[in-house]
Formats: sequence, structure tokens, C-alpha cells
Amino acid sequence: EADIYQTPRYLVIGTGKKITLECSQTMGHDKMYWYQQDPGMELHLIHYSYGVNSTEKGDLSSESTVSRIRTEHFPLTLESARPSHTSQYLCASTRRNEKLFFGSGTQLSVL
Amino acid sequence: DAKTTQPPSMDCAEGRAANLPCNHSTISGNEYVYWYRQIHSQGPQYIIHGLKNNETNEMASLIITEDRKSSTLILPHATLRDTAVYYCIVRAGGAGGTSYGKLTFGQGTILTVHP
Repeated sequence: EADIYQTPRYLVIGTGKKITLECSQTMGHDKMYWYQQDPGMELHLIHYSYGVNSTEKGDLSSESTVSRIRTEHFPLTLESARPSHTSQYLCASTRRNEKLFFGSGTQLSVL
Repeated sequence: DAKTTQPPSMDCAEGRAANLPCNHSTISGNEYVYWYRQIHSQGPQYIIHGLKNNETNEMASLIITEDRKSSTLILPHATLRDTAVYYCIVRAGGAGGTSYGKLTFGQGTILTVHP
């Protein structure tokens, strides 16, 4: 079983609020990723990190930001949430190239 | 990374084998075939991967054609819990590089297992 956790599982918030989606893994993986997925649509990579103090933007442009201060923690922040940010956000990690472990996701709704 | 083509949907009777095809005619020599699945509202789950030999694990079997231009994921005895979107992904393997671990998910195949 994968030991990667995302909180909250569901979040409903008003426009303009600052939010942080949490992602933690206890497997000692150095590589972590954030994907975004709209209902019935493809997953898109928005951020990734290859280790502490390393963050890069993914293939899909996103107004969110990430940080990687500790190996096990990779939070995603939206400074001012908008309805267009409504989506599912999925966190993943890996040590090797072959196998990504995904969290259960955070379903974000911005009103 | 090579592009993959999968049927948008498939049906399977419970207890029967589910055979999910994937075409990847532009695959190059150092690219692996990965399979993931996503059950509704959950994060994707790794199933299996291979380079050129057939592979089997506790979840499924992966059959790769000799020319590596296509592959088939086999769930030998499908259950209702196998209903999910199945993604076939082709990408270079090995350590390092700027694409390390990054996966491009397409539309996948929606597999529905019927009682």
C-alpha cells in the first residue's frame, strides 16, 4: 500500500481565499508531483520536485505555487482562489522511474 | 514520448478475462510501456510495466508484440472492482533526465465489468 496522504479530501471555499493543499509521503521518495484533473478529463502535470528546495512547473500552466522544504512534504498553494481553479488535485511520489504512487486527491470547489 | 492509442471503452463479463489493447507504433528502443488504472474519484494506481518481454504480476499480465508496436493488458478474472479507466503510457525508462517520473496520461479506456 502506498503511504502518501492528501488533505483535505474535499474543500469548498469562496473566491479570493488563500488555500493550501497538503501532500505528505512516508516512503522517503525524493521525487514528487502535482497533477490536476477535471471531471472526465485527462490528468495534467502542473508541478514537480526532484528533491528538497527543487521545484519546477509542469506541462500545464497553473496559478498555484509549491514548496519543498522537507522531503516528505509537498504542499500546493493558491494565493487567491477563483472558480476556474475548481478541479481535482492529485499528488504523487516515486523513488524510481517506473512506479508512481498517488494520493486519494483533493476535490476543490471554489464558489 | 511515443503517442498511444486506446479504445475509448470496453465491456467485460465478471469472471472472464479482460483484454485491453494499446497501440504505440512510434515507440523507440528505450521506451517502456506502463499501465495505470483510475477508479472513480481516486488517484491512479500502477498496474504493470515492461520493455519487450511479457510481464506478469499479481494484478495483471502484459503482452508486448515482438515489434513492440502494440501491447495488451490482461486481467485474467475480471471483477466488478476492476471497473475503471485504464491508461497505457509509453515513456523512456532509466534514471535521471528532466522527464524522470513524469507521466503523460491520455484519455484511456473505460472498462466496465458487468455481473
